[in-house]
Amino acid sequence: EIVLTQSPTTMTASPGEKVTITCRASSSVSYMHWYQQKPGASPKPWIYETSKLASGVPDRFSGSGSGTSYSLTINNMEAEDAATYYCQQWNYPSLTFGSGTKLEIK
Amino acid sequence: QVQLQQSGAELVKPGTSVKLSCKASGYTFTSNHMNWIKQTTGQGLEWIGIINPGSGGTSYNVKFKGKATLTVDKSSSTAFMQLSSLTPEDSAVYYCARRELTWFAYWGQGTLVTVSS
Repeated sequence: EIVLTQSPTTMTASPGEKVTITCRASSSVSYMHWYQQKPGASPKPWIYETSKLASGVPDRFSGSGSGTSYSLTINNMEAEDAATYYCQQWNYPSLTFGSGTKLEIK
Repeated sequence: QVQLQQSGAELVKPGTSVKLSCKASGYTFTSNHMNWIKQTTGQGLEWIGIINPGSGGTSYNVKFKGKATLTVDKSSSTAFMQLSSLTPEDSAVYYCARRELTWFAYWGQGTLVTVSS
């Protein structure tokens, strides 16, 4: 099983700040996907295939990475971006999620 | 538009079974594989398994083999997951999610299962 380790576990950012969340895989993966989840709601697809923004995602978000290291970046943090973000990989037959990064607004 | 409508919350006793449903609409049901995912506060998100609605073929996370059984009813465009021999560790929110290559573009609203005597 490929283990995904996210960092940080929690963080607080001010409006306008740049935010980077990292996801490291225990073995090389082809793509990383990201989901945003707010309390009481289902996870929403946010970034897929490492760098493609899902429908409706603001362009202040971006994704990058390769091999075992991937990241999600927010340029100019906004209040609505406060949520928990999960990374996910699927290198068949292993499909795993990261443990999540809770992002709060100052 | 694509929608995945899951069945309501369940309160069940230890040792029993429960069957959850996920009704798909807005697309051809047999065109995309359906997945089930467990979410708990302690363990986060865990992939349970996948079913091909067209063939009924399944693949499971080793951890959930023997615990979860995935089926579909093509006539009603509904996917099902039966969980057996329930324990308190099975208490969680369970999601169905439609596969897009290697990610999940559509999720149901989730079903809360509480296992308690």
